[in-house]
Amino acid sequence: DAGVIQSPRHEVTEMGQEVTLRCKPISGHNSLFWYRQTMMRGLELLIYFNNNVPIDDSGMPEDRFSAKMPNASFSTLKIQPSEPRDSAVYFCASNLRGGMSEKLFFGSGTQLSVL
Amino acid sequence: GQQVMQIPQYQHVQEGEDFTTYCNSSTTLSNIQWYKQRPGGHPVFLIQLVKSGEVKKQKRLTFQFGEAKKNSSLHITATQTTDVGTYFCAGLRNQGGKLIFGQGTELSVKP
Repeated sequence: DAGVIQSPRHEVTEMGQEVTLRCKPISGHNSLFWYRQTMMRGLELLIYFNNNVPIDDSGMPEDRFSAKMPNASFSTLKIQPSEPRDSAVYFCASNLRGGMSEKLFFGSGTQLSVL
Repeated sequence: GQQVMQIPQYQHVQEGEDFTTYCNSSTTLSNIQWYKQRPGGHPVFLIQLVKSGEVKKQKRLTFQFGEAKKNSSLHITATQTTDVGTYFCAGLRNQGGKLIFGQGTELSVKP
């Protein structure tokens, strides 16, 4: 099992540019989560999908952030336009909802730096 | 909204000393999970507690879930340098709800 795969591992961009983060969940998992991690705010849930449908996007900071899950094996998190305060590590995680244990499997994360 | 508070934020110990981190929720939890994140790594699931008053052990790690299902603790006996990392608790309010992470406790172990 390859685990949750995220790309890119590192992204450096300039303020105002569009950033797209990608995630491939573990095959067979029906839920996908996007988290953001910063020193100040810790691990924040941005949005999660169940069976490709967004269930809760209340953690999405503002309209500059959008997330899609066109199919069960792929999701994107887009920031447009990016700002320096968006600099953080963005984690994607997946799990099998409805099971005895709903533990999350995290990807390796994308380290985003907006200059 | 629901909050999960975790203390302490940092803990520095000498190798061989014990370590404990505490987690408190403002609301009753359906279950609580614990994760470990090594420096530069990603959170990795350690364990899940579901029952009121539950205690689980993994080698030198002991996890407890409070009777009211609002608090939890992780205790490490005789820390080793391999225990270094940040330990997060994460509470689930109800089945199908959001998993809310505590701020984490960063553990450093001096050899």
